[in-house]
Amino acid sequence: GAGVSQSPSNKVTEKGKDVELRCDPISGHTALYWYRQSLGQGLEFLIYFQGNSAPDKSGLPSDRFSAERTGGSVSTLTIQRTQQEDSAVYLCASSLRGQGGHEQYFGPGTRLTVT
Amino acid sequence: KQEVTQIPAALSVPEGENLVLNCSFTDSAIYNLQWFRQDPGKGLTSLLLIQSSQREQTSGRLNASLDKSSGRSTLYIAASQPGDSATYLCAANYGGSQGNLIFGKGTKLSVKP
Repeated sequence: GAGVSQSPSNKVTEKGKDVELRCDPISGHTALYWYRQSLGQGLEFLIYFQGNSAPDKSGLPSDRFSAERTGGSVSTLTIQRTQQEDSAVYLCASSLRGQGGHEQYFGPGTRLTVT
Repeated sequence: KQEVTQIPAALSVPEGENLVLNCSFTDSAIYNLQWFRQDPGKGLTSLLLIQSSQREQTSGRLNASLDKSSGRSTLYIAASQPGDSATYLCAANYGGSQGNLIFGKGTKLSVKP
C-alpha cells in the first residue's frame, strides 16, 4: 500500500515569506507526527495529531509555526515570516494510533531552505 | 530529561564484517524502541521495533536487542555490505499522551568494498 507522502520535496523561499508543507499519512492511521531535522542536529519533535486534534502544541519552536489536520487525514504545517534558522528537513510520520507505542512510518521529508 | 545517545557518531568497516551499533537512553521506562535507517537526502526507513517486554528482534541480517535495566539497545549487522552504508538512528518511545519518538543523533556507517 501507499506510504506516507509529503509535498513539496524541496522548497526554497525568501526570508519573511510564508510556507505550507503538506503530509498525507497512511490510510487508516489516526496518529500523525511532525518532526524537524536541522543540519547537524537530531530529529526534533514538533507536534502530534490524534485524529484532527493536537492536544499539545508546546513542541512548536515559535508562534510562527502552526499546523492543522482535516478529515483525520492530510495535515499542513505552516511557517509564517520564515527565518533562516527555519531551514531544515521537515519529516512527517503516521502510526495506527498515538497511544500504545505503535510503529511510526516516515515520509520522505520536505527540505526547506530559507534564503 | 529523557535523552538518547548513540555511539559512535561514525563508523567505517570493510565489507563482510559483523558490527554493533550502540544506543543508550536515560530513562528506562520506555514503551518501545525503534531503529531506523536514513540514506542521504531521504526519509527514515523503519528497521526494527522492540517492545519493552521483548529482549530482541531479528530481521534478516539485522538483530536488535533491548536491555531496559541498563538503558541500552544494540543493533547488530551481520556480514556487512556496501549497501548497508547509511545513517542509523535509534528512537525511544515513552508512550504517554502523545507517543512521540525521542531520537539519538545517529551513527553514520560506511562499509568499504
